[in-house]
Amino acid sequence: KQEVTQIPAALSVPEGENLVLNCSFTDSAIYNLQWFRQDPGKGLTSLLLIQSSQREQTSGRLNASLDKSSGRSTLYIAASQPGDSATYLCAVRRGSGTYKYIFGTGTRLKVLA
Amino acid sequence: GAVVSQHPSRVICKSGTSVKIECRSLDFQATTMFWYRQFPKQSLMLMATSNEGSKATYEQGVEKDKFLINHASLTLSTLTVTSAHPEDSSFYICSARDRLAGGLLYEQYFGPGTRLTVT
Repeated sequence: KQEVTQIPAALSVPEGENLVLNCSFTDSAIYNLQWFRQDPGKGLTSLLLIQSSQREQTSGRLNASLDKSSGRSTLYIAASQPGDSATYLCAVRRGSGTYKYIFGTGTRLKVLA
Repeated sequence: GAVVSQHPSRVICKSGTSVKIECRSLDFQATTMFWYRQFPKQSLMLMATSNEGSKATYEQGVEKDKFLINHASLTLSTLTVTSAHPEDSSFYICSARDRLAGGLLYEQYFGPGTRLTVT
Protein backbone atom coordinates (compact mmCIF):
# COMPACT_ATOMS: atom_id res chain seq x y z
CA LYS A 1 0.00 0.00 0.00
CA GLN A 2 1.38 3.34 -1.06
CA GLU A 3 2.04 5.80 1.75
CA VAL A 4 3.16 9.37 1.21
CA THR A 5 4.85 11.32 3.97
CA GLN A 6 5.97 14.92 4.09
CA ILE A 7 8.58 16.41 6.34
CA PRO A 8 8.53 18.78 8.08
CA ALA A 9 4.86 18.98 9.07
CA ALA A 10 5.23 22.68 9.72
CA LEU A 11 7.85 25.26 8.91
CA SER A 12 8.28 28.91 9.77
CA VAL A 13 10.97 30.94 8.02
CA PRO A 14 11.90 34.61 7.59
CA GLU A 15 11.19 36.26 4.28
CA GLY A 16 13.89 35.81 1.64
CA GLU A 17 15.08 32.43 2.80
CA ASN A 18 15.45 29.53 0.42
CA LEU A 19 13.73 26.40 1.65
CA VAL A 20 13.20 22.75 0.85
CA LEU A 21 10.11 20.68 1.44
CA ASN A 22 10.41 16.92 1.42
CA CYS A 23 8.07 14.20 0.22
CA SER A 24 8.69 10.47 0.46
CA PHE A 25 6.67 7.57 -0.85
CA THR A 26 6.91 3.89 -0.04
CA ASP A 27 6.20 2.38 -3.47
CA SER A 28 8.57 3.62 -6.15
CA ALA A 29 6.34 2.34 -8.95
CA ILE A 30 4.62 5.63 -9.59
CA TYR A 31 3.41 7.20 -12.80
CA ASN A 32 3.92 10.80 -11.76
CA LEU A 33 4.12 13.09 -8.76
CA GLN A 34 2.47 16.44 -8.32
CA TRP A 35 2.99 19.29 -5.88
CA PHE A 36 0.01 21.39 -4.79
CA ARG A 37 -0.56 24.47 -2.75
CA GLN A 38 -3.58 24.84 -0.48
CA ASP A 39 -4.53 28.09 1.20
CA PRO A 40 -6.58 27.86 4.42
CA GLY A 41 -10.13 26.72 3.74
CA LYS A 42 -9.51 26.64 0.02
CA GLY A 43 -9.08 24.07 -2.70
CA LEU A 44 -5.86 23.01 -4.35
CA THR A 45 -3.65 24.80 -6.82
CA SER A 46 -1.35 22.60 -8.85
CA LEU A 47 2.24 23.86 -8.83
CA LEU A 48 4.37 21.30 -10.62
CA LEU A 49 3.90 17.86 -12.11
CA ILE A 50 6.84 15.50 -12.63
CA GLN A 51 6.48 12.43 -14.78
CA SER A 52 8.21 9.28 -13.55
CA SER A 53 10.77 9.56 -16.32
CA GLN A 54 11.73 13.11 -15.34
CA ARG A 55 14.19 14.28 -12.71
CA GLU A 56 12.92 17.78 -12.11
CA GLN A 57 10.54 20.53 -13.11
CA THR A 58 10.84 24.27 -12.65
CA SER A 59 8.34 27.09 -12.54
CA GLY A 60 9.50 30.53 -11.50
CA ARG A 61 10.92 30.33 -7.97
CA LEU A 62 9.84 26.73 -7.60
CA ASN A 63 11.86 23.67 -8.46
CA ALA A 64 10.71 20.13 -7.85
CA SER A 65 12.97 17.11 -8.10
CA LEU A 66 12.14 13.43 -8.22
CA ASP A 67 14.26 10.44 -7.27
CA LYS A 68 11.89 7.58 -7.97
CA SER A 69 14.28 4.82 -6.97
CA SER A 70 14.68 6.21 -3.47
CA GLY A 71 11.05 7.24 -3.20
CA ARG A 72 11.72 10.93 -2.69
CA SER A 73 10.79 14.30 -4.08
CA THR A 74 11.75 17.75 -2.95
CA LEU A 75 10.17 21.13 -3.58
CA TYR A 76 12.64 23.98 -3.51
CA ILE A 77 11.30 27.49 -3.00
CA ALA A 78 13.75 30.28 -3.69
CA ALA A 79 13.63 33.69 -2.02
CA SER A 80 10.50 32.93 -0.04
CA GLN A 81 7.81 35.60 0.35
CA PRO A 82 4.93 36.01 2.82
CA GLY A 83 2.58 35.18 -0.04
CA ASP A 84 4.10 31.72 -0.17
CA SER A 85 2.53 30.93 3.20
CA ALA A 86 0.22 27.97 2.66
CA THR A 87 0.08 24.21 3.03
CA TYR A 88 2.03 22.31 0.42
CA LEU A 89 0.90 18.84 -0.56
CA CYS A 90 2.58 16.27 -2.70
CA ALA A 91 0.61 13.51 -4.36
CA VAL A 92 1.59 10.45 -6.36
CA ARG A 93 -0.37 8.85 -9.12
CA ARG A 94 -0.30 5.11 -8.85
CA GLY A 95 -0.04 4.05 -12.46
CA SER A 96 -0.94 4.72 -16.06
CA GLY A 97 -4.20 2.81 -15.73
CA THR A 98 -5.61 4.98 -13.00
CA TYR A 99 -5.90 8.68 -12.35
CA LYS A 100 -6.14 8.29 -8.60
CA TYR A 101 -3.73 10.27 -6.47
CA ILE A 102 -2.42 9.42 -3.01
CA PHE A 103 -1.78 12.59 -1.07
CA GLY A 104 0.91 13.29 1.45
CA THR A 105 0.37 14.66 4.91
CA GLY A 106 1.30 18.20 3.93
CA THR A 107 3.75 20.84 5.12
CA ARG A 108 2.31 24.03 6.61
CA LEU A 109 4.61 26.87 5.62
CA LYS A 110 4.64 30.29 7.18
CA VAL A 111 6.92 32.96 5.76
CA LEU A 112 7.42 35.84 8.14
CA ALA A 113 7.69 39.40 6.85
CA GLY B 1 -7.32 27.75 -17.65
CA ALA B 2 -9.69 24.97 -16.72
CA VAL B 3 -12.03 25.75 -13.85
CA VAL B 4 -13.89 23.46 -11.50
CA SER B 5 -16.58 24.92 -9.29
CA GLN B 6 -18.31 23.52 -6.24
CA HIS B 7 -21.60 24.51 -4.73
CA PRO B 8 -22.22 25.32 -2.02
CA SER B 9 -18.94 26.55 -0.60
CA ARG B 10 -20.25 26.16 2.93
CA VAL B 11 -23.24 24.32 4.31
CA ILE B 12 -24.56 23.69 7.77
CA CYS B 13 -27.16 21.00 8.25
CA LYS B 14 -28.82 19.24 11.12
CA SER B 15 -28.00 15.71 12.08
CA GLY B 16 -30.14 13.21 10.20
CA THR B 17 -30.72 15.35 7.14
CA SER B 18 -29.17 14.94 3.70
CA VAL B 19 -27.07 17.46 1.85
CA LYS B 20 -26.04 17.60 -1.79
CA ILE B 21 -22.76 19.02 -3.05
CA GLU B 22 -22.25 19.84 -6.72
CA CYS B 23 -19.03 19.71 -8.68
CA ARG B 24 -18.96 21.28 -12.14
CA SER B 25 -16.30 21.54 -14.81
CA LEU B 26 -16.96 24.95 -16.33
CA ASP B 27 -15.01 24.97 -19.56
CA PHE B 28 -14.14 21.38 -20.28
CA GLN B 29 -15.75 17.98 -20.32
CA ALA B 30 -14.90 15.57 -17.53
CA THR B 31 -15.61 11.91 -17.98
CA THR B 32 -14.07 11.25 -14.59
CA MET B 33 -14.38 13.21 -11.38
CA PHE B 34 -12.97 12.39 -7.97
CA TRP B 35 -14.31 13.14 -4.53
CA TYR B 36 -12.00 13.70 -1.57
CA ARG B 37 -12.57 14.57 2.04
CA GLN B 38 -10.17 16.39 4.28
CA PHE B 39 -10.32 16.56 8.05
CA PRO B 40 -8.74 19.53 9.84
CA LYS B 41 -4.97 19.59 9.49
CA GLN B 42 -5.00 16.30 7.64
CA SER B 43 -4.42 15.41 4.04
CA LEU B 44 -6.93 14.59 1.36
CA MET B 45 -8.38 11.12 1.32
CA LEU B 46 -9.93 9.81 -1.87
CA MET B 47 -13.51 8.73 -1.29
CA ALA B 48 -14.69 7.68 -4.72
CA THR B 49 -14.21 7.96 -8.44
CA SER B 50 -17.19 9.22 -10.37
CA ASN B 51 -17.57 8.11 -13.98
CA GLU B 52 -20.03 9.77 -16.33
CA GLY B 53 -22.92 7.50 -17.11
CA SER B 54 -21.90 4.67 -14.81
CA LYS B 55 -21.72 3.80 -11.15
CA ALA B 56 -19.12 5.36 -8.94
CA THR B 57 -16.22 3.36 -7.60
CA TYR B 58 -15.74 3.74 -3.88
CA GLU B 59 -12.54 3.41 -1.90
CA GLN B 60 -12.29 0.83 0.81
CA GLY B 61 -14.09 1.87 3.96
CA VAL B 62 -16.33 4.45 2.29
CA GLU B 63 -20.03 3.67 2.63
CA LYS B 64 -21.62 3.94 -0.80
CA ASP B 65 -25.12 4.12 0.65
CA LYS B 66 -24.15 7.05 2.79
CA PHE B 67 -22.21 8.98 0.18
CA LEU B 68 -24.29 8.87 -2.98
CA ILE B 69 -22.53 9.97 -6.14
CA ASN B 70 -24.20 10.80 -9.41
CA HIS B 71 -22.33 11.81 -12.55
CA ALA B 72 -25.19 12.53 -14.88
CA SER B 73 -23.38 14.65 -17.44
CA LEU B 74 -19.87 15.40 -18.68
CA THR B 75 -19.77 18.57 -16.60
CA LEU B 76 -21.55 17.70 -13.37
CA SER B 77 -21.07 15.27 -10.53
CA THR B 78 -22.97 15.40 -7.25
CA LEU B 79 -22.17 14.00 -3.84
CA THR B 80 -25.07 13.53 -1.47
CA VAL B 81 -24.31 12.90 2.17
CA THR B 82 -27.33 11.02 3.46
CA SER B 83 -28.46 11.00 7.09
CA ALA B 84 -25.57 13.23 8.01
CA HIS B 85 -23.95 12.99 11.42
CA PRO B 86 -21.50 15.33 13.15
CA GLU B 87 -18.62 13.01 12.27
CA ASP B 88 -19.37 13.69 8.59
CA SER B 89 -18.35 17.29 9.14
CA SER B 90 -15.40 17.82 6.87
CA PHE B 91 -14.03 19.65 3.86
CA TYR B 92 -15.09 17.94 0.65
CA ILE B 93 -13.08 18.59 -2.51
CA CYS B 94 -13.73 17.34 -6.00
CA SER B 95 -11.40 17.14 -8.94
CA ALA B 96 -12.15 16.66 -12.59
CA ARG B 97 -10.10 15.12 -15.32
CA ASP B 98 -10.24 16.80 -18.68
CA ARG B 99 -11.52 14.33 -21.25
CA LEU B 100 -8.92 15.62 -23.66
CA ALA B 101 -6.16 15.72 -21.06
CA GLY B 102 -3.56 13.66 -22.84
CA GLY B 103 -0.35 15.61 -23.11
CA LEU B 104 -1.50 18.59 -21.07
CA LEU B 105 0.65 19.68 -18.19
CA TYR B 106 -1.89 19.16 -15.44
CA GLU B 107 -4.15 16.17 -15.50
CA GLN B 108 -6.76 17.08 -12.97
CA TYR B 109 -8.31 20.31 -11.85
CA PHE B 110 -9.49 20.75 -8.31
CA GLY B 111 -12.53 22.53 -7.05
CA PRO B 112 -12.43 25.10 -4.22
CA GLY B 113 -14.00 22.70 -1.74
CA THR B 114 -17.18 22.60 0.33
CA ARG B 115 -17.11 22.97 4.09
CA LEU B 116 -19.82 20.77 5.62
CA THR B 117 -20.80 21.21 9.24
CA VAL B 118 -23.34 18.86 10.75
CA THR B 119 -24.88 20.07 14.01
